[in-house]
Amino acid sequence: GAVVSQHPSWVICKSGTSVKIECRSLDFQATTMFWYRQFPKQSLMLMATSNEGSKATYEQGVEKDKFLINHASLTLSTLTVTSAHPEDSSFYICSARPPGVSGANVLTFGAGSRLTVL
Amino acid sequence: AQTVTQSQPEMSVQEAETVTLSCTYDTSESNYYLFWYKQPPSRQMILVIRQEAYKQQNATENRFSVNFQKAAKSFSLKISDSQLGDTAMYFCAFMNTGNQFYFGTGTSLTVIP
Repeated sequence: GAVVSQHPSWVICKSGTSVKIECRSLDFQATTMFWYRQFPKQSLMLMATSNEGSKATYEQGVEKDKFLINHASLTLSTLTVTSAHPEDSSFYICSARPPGVSGANVLTFGAGSRLTVL
Repeated sequence: AQTVTQSQPEMSVQEAETVTLSCTYDTSESNYYLFWYKQPPSRQMILVIRQEAYKQQNATENRFSVNFQKAAKSFSLKISDSQLGDTAMYFCAFMNTGNQFYFGTGTSLTVIP
């Protein structure tokens, strides 16, 4: 089945540094990927829609300069948290929709990346 | 704007029993998709079941079935013969015609041995 891989699964960084999280579709091409943020015991909040070859579409309230998204190829989207601060600590999850009838309108999720900013 | 509401933050069920998780949503669209996703302690989101709004027949996947009431904008999940591995957070989700997903706040289900 369709697999979405995220790396790293857990990263700890110092305040003020930048962190990059990768999201890869392993066995399919994804022109669109989605980035979510999840606080403990809360739901997933859509941050942005990553579009291959063009600018990402950010949800209201999400700082585009803070959360840089690059979708350079059909299998890779990256989320860079710039000048991270402790309040950016969260669980970040990416997802994509595999092509074909079986994957139609179904989101496949990566395993998530836990960011801890000290 | 689309909203998804799960009114049960926590639920528990005895192993082998049946449990129903509630979900309501609000939309002005007539064509959309509804989903239930499971998030176990590993935090990997797993699709449980999906329903197309234009289909009147309720979706079923083995022990999982839904009760889709379009007029009432209700989409509940029934888990039959509950198993310990069903313990997880369950999220109801809505996808609009713009292909954007919106998630409910989740229901934490514990299956008691």
